[in-house]
Parts: sequence; C-alpha cells; structure tokens
Amino acid sequence: AQSVTQLDSHVSVSEGTPVLLRCNYSSSYSPSLFWYVQHPNKGLQLLLKYTSAATLVKGINGFEAEFKKSETSFHLTKPSAHMSDAAEYFCVVSGAAGLIFGTGTRLQVFP
Amino acid sequence: DVKVTQSSRYLVKRTGEKVFLECVQDMDHENMFWYRQDPGLGLRLIYFSYDVKMKEKGDIPEGYSVSREKKERFSLILESASTNQTSMYLCASSVLAGGPPLSTDTQYFGPGTRLTVL
Repeated sequence: AQSVTQLDSHVSVSEGTPVLLRCNYSSSYSPSLFWYVQHPNKGLQLLLKYTSAATLVKGINGFEAEFKKSETSFHLTKPSAHMSDAAEYFCVVSGAAGLIFGTGTRLQVFP
Repeated sequence: DVKVTQSSRYLVKRTGEKVFLECVQDMDHENMFWYRQDPGLGLRLIYFSYDVKMKEKGDIPEGYSVSREKKERFSLILESASTNQTSMYLCASSVLAGGPPLSTDTQYFGPGTRLTVL
C-alpha cells in the first residue's frame, strides 16, 4: 500500500532564509511523487513532480525536491523564502486509484 | 491554461437537504475527481471518473454519489446532507496517462467549494 507522511504540520521561517518541508513515503512499487501548494482561498497548484527520471526535481518559484529511495524521502527545499511562499504544501504519492495526499504543512514566512 | 471551475465558492445548506456540487473542466480531460479537504487530514478522495458515465469509489464514498453525463462535467451529490459533511470540496481533472491508471498524472484543481451544513 502507498502512504505519505509529512513530518511537520507547521514550519516558520524568516524571509530570505532556507525552507525545508519534510516528506516520507511508503510504496510497494516505484512511485510518482508530487508537491502541491495551496494559497489561501485558492485551488491546489502543482509545484513539481517526480516520475523516476532525475532524482533532483526542479519546480516552479525556485522550489526543488530530491527523491531519496534509501531514505524513502522526498523533501521540498528552497534556498531563500519569500513572503509570497506562505501557503499550505502537500506531499503526494501515486496510488493504485489516484493520488494519496499527506496531511499538509503550513509554511509561515516572517519579514 | 487548464481551467477547472466549481459552481459555488461558498454554500450553506440544512441537514437533510439534497446538495449538488458542480465541476466543469475545459481541457477535454478524461479523468475527474472529487475530494474533501479537512484540517489535519489532507485531501481524501470521494469518487473519481475515468470516462463519461463511469465512476469509481474513492476512500470515503459513504453519503455521496456522483454523476458524469458529459465529459467536461462531474457532479457530486449529497443525497441527505449531514453536519459531518461540512467541509471544503475540491474537484480535479487529469489527462489519461499510461501505467497504473490515473496515478502518475498531474491533476488540475478547481478553487474549491466550502460547504457548511447546519
């Protein structure tokens, strides 16, 4: 069975500092992994997607994630946070009948 | 750009009412999905459809039904609304992809309908 765990429900950073949002997954086969972002009162938007090509995946808005099979992790990073990055982020793994979402990490960015 | 629209952003209904949530996508996508989003639980799949008139149960179908009469439109129906169905409902669509059906494909989401059942 497939599952995904987001290790932090809230993360707070100062503007200009690095962002790390942690995600671990479990899958009985080689998974596809996604990060989606949800800004307040907006729909979910795809940040990036891993589908067994390069293990380092670059997404929109300067975000990237690294697939580490040995650690079953797919952490999301950004070198320098911007105020507009404040949102909820979902780590997602492909399942047999669609996508399986993590419980979300709310990112706060302080000036 | 892919556009997924939902008929209402906010909806307030009374217990026992029949509720229709409508979703329309304009990209000729094969697959459509309904999720509910609750704090601390992420998104949970209610139903999905991979073709007109086809539907499959997701993880939490109880108390819901769906209808897909046209490719671009996917409706979620609450036959008799209850207070525990107060939630944010998100519709999504995706193009049919190869491999494990539906699972590797990027999904495009609508803005959501926040439903309150009193």
